Amino acid sequence: DTAVSQTPKYLVTQMGNDKSIKCEQNLGHDTMYWYKQDSKKFLKIMFSYNNKELIINETVPNRFSPKSPDKAHLNLHINSLELGDSAVYFCASSPLGLVDYGYTFGSGTRLTVV
Amino acid sequence: AQKITQTQPGMFVQEKEAVTLDCTYDTSDPSYGLFWYKQPSSGEMIFLIYQGSYDQQNATEGRYSLNFQKARKSANLVISASQLGDSAMYFCAMRDRGGNKLVFGAGTILRVKS
Repeated sequence: DTAVSQTPKYLVTQMGNDKSIKCEQNLGHDTMYWYKQDSKKFLKIMFSYNNKELIINETVPNRFSPKSPDKAHLNLHINSLELGDSAVYFCASSPLGLVDYGYTFGSGTRLTVV
Repeated sequence: AQKITQTQPGMFVQEKEAVTLDCTYDTSDPSYGLFWYKQPSSGEMIFLIYQGSYDQQNATEGRYSLNFQKARKSANLVISASQLGDSAMYFCAMRDRGGNKLVFGAGTILRVKS
């Protein structure tokens, strides 16, 4: 069983479209995250949810909206896609607040906006 | 604020030799965790090794060891007996109690030569 699974793995879409990326974890973790990896491979946190509650919201355009229906799922919806949104998006999970616990990452979604 | 610095954009190492990847960090929190992740060309994020701020001994996991120098705020990754499959991007990351997020360095690309 995959611990953190996200779909789709690849997403190619046109500018202006709306798309969603889904993420599910079966580790029993209470916190989930979205990270963006840009073309220079830099990883930056976008959002974090703990038990369906938003706890981290970095400076991200309003076109990005996370949704957590339960603590095992965290989806990312992106409206009006722009060329600059092209990146790899990683979902991750961990227990909350434990400094000695790293994150378990999904395999990533490569989003290409054309 | 948390900060991770990896000053080596790229490194080469001969197969079967050891290599050290540098990482320095900054935090005002006395309790923190340091992590190394490997990202091969396939894109997934693979956890390698963890070091806690209160750990007295350097962490080791198989061929990976972490050279932790707390006073210098450095957490270098040492890979012994390099293999061709070690060619990848390596990220140093830190998590502390205050930020509740994993902050990444810019990464180091390692190429193992045969």
